[in-house]
Amino acid sequence: DIQMTQSPSSLSASVGDRVTITCRASQDIYIYLNWYQQRPGKAPKLLISDASNLEAGAPSRFSASGSGTDFTLTISSLQPEDIATYYCQQYGNVPPITFGQGTRLEIK
Amino acid sequence: EVQLAQSGGNLVQPGGSLRLTCEASGISVSDNYMSWIRQPPGQGLEWVSDVYRNDITFYADSVKGRFTISRDRSKNTLFLQMNNLRNEDTAVYYCARSRGGNRFDFWGQGAPVIVSS
Repeated sequence: DIQMTQSPSSLSASVGDRVTITCRASQDIYIYLNWYQQRPGKAPKLLISDASNLEAGAPSRFSASGSGTDFTLTISSLQPEDIATYYCQQYGNVPPITFGQGTRLEIK
Repeated sequence: EVQLAQSGGNLVQPGGSLRLTCEASGISVSDNYMSWIRQPPGQGLEWVSDVYRNDITFYADSVKGRFTISRDRSKNTLFLQMNNLRNEDTAVYYCARSRGGNRFDFWGQGAPVIVSS
């Protein structure tokens, strides 16, 4: 199974900050990676698909990049509503689909 | 508008059984890849099972032989039959549409399953 490792596990930043979360795959997954946002008590929401494609309705301050084993999710200007846990998910070698352990984002 | 309405979560003893239900509106569960994903308390997301459009099914090793995914075309509903439940199956279970079989773009609200004596 492909292991997905996110860093950091938690992050505290101020409103307006640029925030970057990384995700590393244990083997090459090309661009077969998605990002999700999960607000407290809610179901996850698909933000980014295929490593860099912003889903319809997702704010343009979210962007992502990467290929192979290393990927990043960036929030250009952190807003209070971005408080959530973010997960990466690979589909490069399935089954099983696997997720990163999550990055909890808090406001300073 | 797509909605996935879940039901069936409950407290169950180890070794017991439970069936989760996911009733869809706005999409056909039979014409889509559908999935179950779970989230243990305070932990991350774990893929559990998929059913493809051609009815091929897949399971995580941790549930293989104990869980069964199925769907009812007439009721437009997805099911997860869970047998021989273990303490480590305790989680919130989500149903989801898997667009293209590889990304989860519509989710149910989640159903809590607690396995405890």
